[in-house]
Amino acid sequence: EADIYQTPRYLVIGTGKKITLECSQTMGHDKMYWYQQDPGMELHLIHYSYGVNSTEKGDLSSESTVSRIRTEHFPLTLESARPSHTSQYLCASSDSQGLEGNQPQHFGDGTRLSIL
Amino acid sequence: GQQLNQSPQSMFIQEGEDVSMNCTSSSIFNTWLWYKQDPGEGPVLLIALYKAGELTSNGRLTAQFGITRKDSFLNISASIPSDVGIYFCAGTLPSQGGSEKLVFGKGTKLTVNP
Repeated sequence: EADIYQTPRYLVIGTGKKITLECSQTMGHDKMYWYQQDPGMELHLIHYSYGVNSTEKGDLSSESTVSRIRTEHFPLTLESARPSHTSQYLCASSDSQGLEGNQPQHFGDGTRLSIL
Repeated sequence: GQQLNQSPQSMFIQEGEDVSMNCTSSSIFNTWLWYKQDPGEGPVLLIALYKAGELTSNGRLTAQFGITRKDSFLNISASIPSDVGIYFCAGTLPSQGGSEKLVFGKGTKLTVNP
């Protein structure tokens, strides 16, 4: 089982607040990802990083930002939360391509965010 | 963007029955993955497939990477109540400039009646 941790698990907060969702992995994976998922729906990639100081936007436009200063840490920040940001945010990591091809992504348990 | 068509959207079965679900696409994928997600949790990897035609088992689960590289199926044999959850297929497209992103299906929600 993968060792990837997200905090907080749940967050209910008012509009306009600055929020940082934490994601850490202890496997030394160089690739990390953030997904947004509404209940019962598919996952949409919003950010990814292939290494330290490397970040890219995903397929779904998001007002959030990310940083990758250390290999194990990939926090996501919302400068001013709005109700439209209410969703579940999932972090994942994977190792570089190996002999078997693309290494699968392993997910944290997510942060369920509710903006009032 | 690229799309995976996953079916069925939901299934209601009796304990002990076998289950089959699949994903298809008009695009070729390099890798097919199957995940299971329980409520309030993150997806957990069940099976990873890397080669066209590959058939892989994990306990009561069996998955295959379609020979055309455009589809995959997942079978669950002799279902039990803890199989309840949402099953997602996911695939990686051929690398474009080093980018290897996962595309997810919309999920199959499985309910198992004891």
